[in-house]
Amino acid sequence: EDQVTQSPEALRLQEGESSSLNCSYTVSGLRGLFWYRQDPGKGPEFLFTLYSAGEEKEKERLKATLTKKESFLHITAPKPEDSATYLCAVQAPGSNYQLIWGAGTKLIIKP
Amino acid sequence: KAGVTQTPRYLIKTRGQQVTLSCSPISGHRSVSWYQQTPGQGLQFLFEYFSETQRNKGNFPGRFSGRQFSNSRSEMNVSTLELGDSALYLCASSQNGGDNSPLHFGNGTRLTVT
Repeated sequence: EDQVTQSPEALRLQEGESSSLNCSYTVSGLRGLFWYRQDPGKGPEFLFTLYSAGEEKEKERLKATLTKKESFLHITAPKPEDSATYLCAVQAPGSNYQLIWGAGTKLIIKP
Repeated sequence: KAGVTQTPRYLIKTRGQQVTLSCSPISGHRSVSWYQQTPGQGLQFLFEYFSETQRNKGNFPGRFSGRQFSNSRSEMNVSTLELGDSALYLCASSQNGGDNSPLHFGNGTRLTVT
């Protein structure tokens, strides 16, 4: 069964303390992996799409990378405004473009 | 460009009632998807509409239904509400719902069933 697992469930960091969030998947023939950020009471906000192993995308303090089995969202020198839940989703072949979602990582950055 | 708009923002309904939620996608987007989000289950896919046709459906009972109009606006209906239907209902639009077409979400409708 196609699955997406995100770890850790929650992560507390001090401002400026870099770290990584993990998204592992068991989909064969990945069509695309998506990262979203969700603030409390709001809908998810699109961050990145990755398609093939070795691909990297960057946006401000965030960098997403992809291997054949997992993706990492690296956050460098985070600020309190980076606090949010980060969601990962994958698109599998034969899924008619539907996404399989992870449960998310709740990131808290303390000033 | 205006984002995805969902109305109403909050709803309180009684068990057994029905409810209709509305979604206006980003201009030019033809695909609209609906999701249910709860703390325990995360994001659960309800259905997707493309050019007024339901293209995909998740594993929800028939009490959950939707439709899409010719201007791509979409509505979702839940009949005979149950306490477990309390959730954040999110609508997302994309240009064509395929590859290279990320979802853009609205801020949701918070439904509380009492």
